[in-house]
Amino acid sequence: ELKVEQNPLFLSMQEGKNYTIYCNYSTTSDRLYWYRQDPGKSLESLFVLLSNGAVKQEGRLMASLDTKARLSTLHITAAVHDLSATYFCADPGGARYNDMRFGAGTRLTVKP
Amino acid sequence: DADVTQTPRNRITKTGKRIMLECSQTKGHDRMYWYRQDPGLGLRLIYYSFDVKDINKGEISDGYSVSRQAQAKFSLSLESAIPNQTALYFCATRQGSNTEAFFGQGTRLTVV
Repeated sequence: ELKVEQNPLFLSMQEGKNYTIYCNYSTTSDRLYWYRQDPGKSLESLFVLLSNGAVKQEGRLMASLDTKARLSTLHITAAVHDLSATYFCADPGGARYNDMRFGAGTRLTVKP
Repeated sequence: DADVTQTPRNRITKTGKRIMLECSQTKGHDRMYWYRQDPGLGLRLIYYSFDVKDINKGEISDGYSVSRQAQAKFSLSLESAIPNQTALYFCATRQGSNTEAFFGQGTRLTVV
C-alpha cells in the first residue's frame, strides 16, 4: 500500500531561520516529487528527484532523496515571506503501483 | 490556455443533486486522475484511468463515479451530492507510471 508521511504538518518560522520538512514514503520508487500550493491555487511542480542521492536546489529551497531510507527532505535556508505556502511530497508509485500518493502537506508560514 | 483544464471552477449545489466535474488535457498523457483536497488531509485519490477502457478506484471512490470519454477527457460525477463532499477537487495527468503529475486549476465544490 502506498503511504506518504510528511512532517511537520504546520510550520511557523521567522524570516531568516532554517528548517527541514521530512517526507517518508512506502514504495521502492526511485524517484519523488515536491509540489508547492499557494492558497486557493493549484499544485505546481517544485522539484523532481529522479534517483537515490539526488539533490536539487532552487533559491532558498533544497530537496534531497534517499531511496534506501525512503526519505526525502526539503530544506529551507534563511526563510523569506514569499516562501509561505503549502508543500507536498508525492510518491509516484514506482513500477509496482499505478497511482500517485501525496503527503498531507506542510503549511509553511514565514513571519517577519 | 492551460494544459489541464477543469470546469466548472466553482460550483454550489444542493444535497441530493447530481453534478459532473469535467477535466480535459492537451498534454497527450495517457493517465488521468481525480483527487479531492480537504484541509489537513492532503490530496486523496478518488479514481484514476490509464486509457478509455481502464478505470480504477482510488482510496475514496464511494459516492463518486467517473467516465473517460476520450484520452483527453475524464469526468467525475457525484450521483447524489452530500455536504461532506464539499471540497476542492483536482484533476491531474501524467504519462506512464512513476512520472510527474500535472494539475488542473481545481474545482471548488460546495454542497448545501
